[in-house]
Amino acid sequence: GAVVSQHPSWVICKSGTSVKIECRSLDFQATTMFWYRQFPKQSLMLMATSNEGSKATYEQGVEKDKFLINHASLTLSTLTVTSAHPEDSSFYICSASRQFSYEQYFGPGTRLTVT
Amino acid sequence: LAKTTQPISMDSYEGQEVNITCSHNNIATNDYITWYQQFPSQGPRFIIQGYKTKVTNEVASLFIPADRKSSTLSLPRVSLSDTAVYYCLVGPGGGADGLTFGKGTHLIIQP
Repeated sequence: GAVVSQHPSWVICKSGTSVKIECRSLDFQATTMFWYRQFPKQSLMLMATSNEGSKATYEQGVEKDKFLINHASLTLSTLTVTSAHPEDSSFYICSASRQFSYEQYFGPGTRLTVT
Repeated sequence: LAKTTQPISMDSYEGQEVNITCSHNNIATNDYITWYQQFPSQGPRFIIQGYKTKVTNEVASLFIPADRKSSTLSLPRVSLSDTAVYYCLVGPGGGADGLTFGKGTHLIIQP
């Protein structure tokens, strides 16, 4: 149990275009979902926290207008990278937690390459 | 959030017990200690969490001294597939908070 999926697993897009990444909790309802970014050989950095039906909370330095997060249901959160640039190329990972659980369940990640 | 310090890398051999120590001098009273494992190009995987003394599950043991200023993740009889980055995290422990990852320890297991 507690499986989180992401789609797509990798994506290549041209500079200036937008890309949407989906994060789904497959067998549980996620009260909270998180988005992280990881650059090569670096650690994960928390980008934002989202709760179903409410606006996401962004970490300092993360542009909310560039990284649009929608958490429309208890099993789905989406991250849209708008007007992507090469410096947005990274590994994007989501995680989800369920009520009364201390554990976060991570998705497999999405590799974004902006050319 | 309490800052954590871990060795950047460690080497060991198959069948050995590996102990990775994490320092967290500024741990707060309500903080838990959690360890995650990450393979390349994959999301992290929860290993173990503890508050004090010793916690053991089917994968690892976590030793926490009385002052809680450090903790040691113990992996018994490692195999090549245990080669990964291991992160020590300190925080309230609830699933409602985003996690702050440090640099982690790159563990390399050799045959």
